[in-house]
Amino acid sequence: EDKVVQSPLSLVVHEGDTVTLNCSYEVTNFRSLLWYKQEKKAPTFLFMLTSSGIEKKSGRLSSILDKKELFSILNITATQTGDSAVYLCAGIGSSNTGKLIFGQGTTLQVKP
Amino acid sequence: GAVVSQHPSWVICKSGTSVKIECRSLDFQATTMFWYRQFPKQSLMLMATSNEGSKATYEQGVEKDKFLINHASLTLSTLTVTSAHPEDSSFYICSASRTSGANVLTFGAGSRLTVL
Repeated sequence: EDKVVQSPLSLVVHEGDTVTLNCSYEVTNFRSLLWYKQEKKAPTFLFMLTSSGIEKKSGRLSSILDKKELFSILNITATQTGDSAVYLCAGIGSSNTGKLIFGQGTTLQVKP
Repeated sequence: GAVVSQHPSWVICKSGTSVKIECRSLDFQATTMFWYRQFPKQSLMLMATSNEGSKATYEQGVEKDKFLINHASLTLSTLTVTSAHPEDSSFYICSASRTSGANVLTFGAGSRLTVL
């Protein structure tokens, strides 16, 4: 059975700290891994990772995929209170286009 | 960019009634849409894949007769929660992919259902 596991489940840091969120996956015919940020409503897209070892960056956020060890990390540097949210990773297999298998999410709280 | 609209954003209903939630792709056509359910402090769980012009594909454990899905056009999918009960109270989110074969889904804003 396909599954995606995230850790930690929750995290509390102070502004300026750097955090690393983990995501491991077991997805049949794995194709890509996606990271989403969810605040109060629907998730918003952050990154899609398909190739191993290639870091994707967007401002203070970056992510990388290791297809050999079946995991991905999401880094957030110089955290701000606006980074407080639930971060979801999801795996997708090539046999199920568009069907995402979500992890439990990591709840990040950034304190001033 | 791809925009997915969901309506209503929140609804309160009495036990035993049916509730319809609409999901529209506003600026693109979506042959496939997905319905997710999210309980408080939990992740999104895929309920079903909605296919335009054909029957929806339901995930294991999801009752087809309870959660009716209709994908009548390339821009609209509806989820009807029939004979709702308090345990059906949840956050329902739809998503769609802009292009066939694309992995990046755009999510609707979600619909919070409360059944009294």
